[in-house]
Amino acid sequence: NAGVTQTPKFQVLKTGQSMTLQCAQDMNHNSMYWYRQDPGMGLRLIYYSASEGTTDKGEVPNGYNVSRLNKREFSLRLESAAPSQTSVYFCASSRQGTGKNIQYFGAGTRLSVL
Amino acid sequence: GENVEQHPSTLSVQEGDSAVIKCTYSDSASNYFPWYKQELGKRPQLIIDIRSNVGEKKDQRIAVTLNKTAKHFSLHITETQPEDSAVYFCAASRQAGTALIFGKGTTLSVSS
Repeated sequence: NAGVTQTPKFQVLKTGQSMTLQCAQDMNHNSMYWYRQDPGMGLRLIYYSASEGTTDKGEVPNGYNVSRLNKREFSLRLESAAPSQTSVYFCASSRQGTGKNIQYFGAGTRLSVL
Repeated sequence: GENVEQHPSTLSVQEGDSAVIKCTYSDSASNYFPWYKQELGKRPQLIIDIRSNVGEKKDQRIAVTLNKTAKHFSLHITETQPEDSAVYFCAASRQAGTALIFGKGTTLSVSS
């Protein structure tokens, strides 16, 4: 039982390049999330998927797209990377129906855009 | 939308002292308030949470209090230890399956 797995762990891109961050969970959770973490800014929600087949914008969605491929997988795509997207990206998942929203995080992806 | 403010941004205490971190939220419909701890280079992990039908919750040396009327909640750590040094985040959400909105974090340093 691996929990939430993110790939890659590290990535360096040039401005204008594209890439997809992968996230998979094996906890049978309904909901999945993408956050970015920047110094002094906390964790800011990019996109989330409350259930398979749905996605919604968060606080900072510009420059990103997401795909909920199936119940396990939720990917984040940068179509044309910019230096402002240099950040640590965390994927998380949670289970509905408990009255709580306990989110379990992946180990993160450190992205540098030059 | 929801907005969560967290104070202070940094907090330094001596080992054995207590530490208090405070958060306010804007959406009166929020009903779930977790606290996450993030050690350097690691992922955030839940340490305690509280729902809006409860005023206080304790787990060993940590406790959380909630004042729904004033829309604020606080984390209390007693008898702090060096391993409590980390960044702490508060968050709020309306219901399970909806997004958490996080505060900007508090860097706690416990010196021995």
